[in-house]
Amino acid sequence: DAKTTQPPSMDCAEGRAANLPCNHSTISGNEYVYWYRQIHSQGPQYIIHGLKNNETNEMASLIITEDRKSSTLILPHATLRDTAVYYCIVRVGGSGAGSYQLTFGKGTKLSVIP
Amino acid sequence: DTGVSQDPRHKITKRGQNVTFRCDPISEHNRLYWYRQTLGQGPEFLTYFQNEAQLEKSRLLSDRFSAERPKGSFSTLEIQRTEQGDSAMYLCASSSRGRLNEKLFFGSGTQLSVL
Repeated sequence: DAKTTQPPSMDCAEGRAANLPCNHSTISGNEYVYWYRQIHSQGPQYIIHGLKNNETNEMASLIITEDRKSSTLILPHATLRDTAVYYCIVRVGGSGAGSYQLTFGKGTKLSVIP
Repeated sequence: DTGVSQDPRHKITKRGQNVTFRCDPISEHNRLYWYRQTLGQGPEFLTYFQNEAQLEKSRLLSDRFSAERPKGSFSTLEIQRTEQGDSAMYLCASSSRGRLNEKLFFGSGTQLSVL
């Protein structure tokens, strides 16, 4: 799977949008971008994923650049409960060999400040 | 609560002892994964089951580690002759087949401390 690069930490004011960047310049055409987050003392939680189109769900929006070499996770109105480590992961789609492993980096520690 | 249960939540053991952890996945999920996470690092893949078949094992899974999923439902991870380097959070996750791009549901993990 392609490697990803994320800033180690970010701060965001409560109520403001949190924009978390991720670089994945070596991404292949069949690799998807996944975002998970991990709140202290809990297991990782799925947030969103996408291939090349922008995606939105009840938790967040995912913006993928046209060349697919980077993406941004947007939490539109950050709350204190969004304080967590956010992981950007690139993985092969489908259910074939090698597609079942998630390779986590160190992620971005997001601190939402009152 | 994701629906994935892990037991125990915490385990303290002495070096050289054997330990066993249990994971109960979401009932309709046929895929089950074990990950390990040390302080300040992201989770690392250990092994993967599809139903009762163990289809992939990481090189991190030394001979002292064994995982089973006997009836395709719950799974156990055993560590024999524990070492201090085994101290970590052991995470279980499950997912369901059928979706092109599955998402994993993780449990809260078992924190192992080897003294």
